[in-house]
Amino acid sequence: NAGVTQTPKFQVLKTGQSMTLQCAQDMNHEYMSWYRQDPGMGLRLIHYSVGAGITDQGEVPNGYNVSRSTTEDFPLRLLSAAPSQTSVYFCASSYKGATNYGYTFGSGTRLTVV
Amino acid sequence: AQSVAQPEDQVNVAEGNPLTVKCTYSVSGNPYLFWYVQYPNRGLQFLLKYITGDNLVKGSYGFEAEFNKSQTSFHLKKPSALVSDSALYFCAVRVLKFYFGSGTKLNVKP
Repeated sequence: NAGVTQTPKFQVLKTGQSMTLQCAQDMNHEYMSWYRQDPGMGLRLIHYSVGAGITDQGEVPNGYNVSRSTTEDFPLRLLSAAPSQTSVYFCASSYKGATNYGYTFGSGTRLTVV
Repeated sequence: AQSVAQPEDQVNVAEGNPLTVKCTYSVSGNPYLFWYVQYPNRGLQFLLKYITGDNLVKGSYGFEAEFNKSQTSFHLKKPSALVSDSALYFCAVRVLKFYFGSGTKLNVKP
């Protein structure tokens, strides 16, 4: 089925470890974003991209890197994991120019940093 | 600055009663408005959107939303709540980028 695929679904990291959260979509969406969701905090934008080779920071980018080498993939890298990065991470995609088009969300990655 | 407000962290309603989840926004230009629902341990799912035209928009699972331009509001409604409607609801506005409200937890009690 078409959609946004996130892997892994669950991950436990030790403080200081690095890892990459994967996000892939097969809808030819130019616009892709990463959010984190913490209890009582709603969704906070980490990074977003409006097309291959173009990325920009959201409101909470520190400690995270992204790249967009293809339209389909938008991985999120944690450089040196910290307990404050324990959260649920969602990837979402949409069309860039059609602003009447909403997001399609992935099912999330639940990350625990110990 | 663009912003979306959901003034209620939680809404409690009895099954069979009507429900309203409130959303107001402050953006420049003409926004497109969305509601998403999140069930426990799941991603966000699209419920409905307002683009233009009729101010009352119908969406999935019997939900509807009323757009009020003068009050810059986009409240989510349902005439008769179900226990299965219990979830977290997010209002969102798109003006090129997306802006989300903080979410409202809906509790529907039997």
